[in-house]
Amino acid sequence: DAGITQSPRHKVTETGTPVTLRCHQTENHRYMYWYRQDPGHGLRLIHYSYGVKDTDKGEVSDGYSVSRSKTEDFLLTLESATSSQTSVYFCAISPEWFYGTQETQYFGPGTRLLVL
Amino acid sequence: SQQGEEDPQALSIQEGENATMNCSYKTSINNLQWYRQNSGRGLVHLILIRSNEREKHSGRLRVTLDTSKKSSSLLITASRAADTASYFCATYVQGAQKLVFGQGTRLTINP
Repeated sequence: DAGITQSPRHKVTETGTPVTLRCHQTENHRYMYWYRQDPGHGLRLIHYSYGVKDTDKGEVSDGYSVSRSKTEDFLLTLESATSSQTSVYFCAISPEWFYGTQETQYFGPGTRLLVL
Repeated sequence: SQQGEEDPQALSIQEGENATMNCSYKTSINNLQWYRQNSGRGLVHLILIRSNEREKHSGRLRVTLDTSKKSSSLLITASRAADTASYFCATYVQGAQKLVFGQGTRLTINP
């Protein structure tokens, strides 16, 4: 999986508790992304990062925050988990953009999160 | 609605047959990509076609792009059981600086 790991791979938590998911890459790629995948919605972008400490919101960012203090790590935090955040979360990376367009993204194995 | 929408949502064929799935999108794009996802796994990039290209091949995969119709198709020839997976198109929208994924086509290859 292109040197991308996600932890934990599975997590069960209760409504209202904070949750942090970690994405770690060994490819030294500049761009990192967090997606969630839900039936009927495909993949939806939560947040992305275009460098250390440089992040931006995606289409479903409410209730989520991110941090990137090192090139290799991108953290996704659910400040107070809700049942609607039950999902499979994928991290992806991509190298420097080529001619101003986004080339291939490489995905991690995913984290299954269940919020009770 | 989704920028990229795949059709059909599900496809079941016999091993050895060809599988065709389609993707339609709404706005101008820089490139269109196809990804495969096996059950319980992350997505894997298959092929990228740029807006100025009309057809591209990679092994048993053939992708076409018709920018006038805002559509693309992915053809998998001589299907194998290992091709059973979900297939997603993703479009890089001009000005959006991000990939937008469709909801996918679930392909089942029957032995």
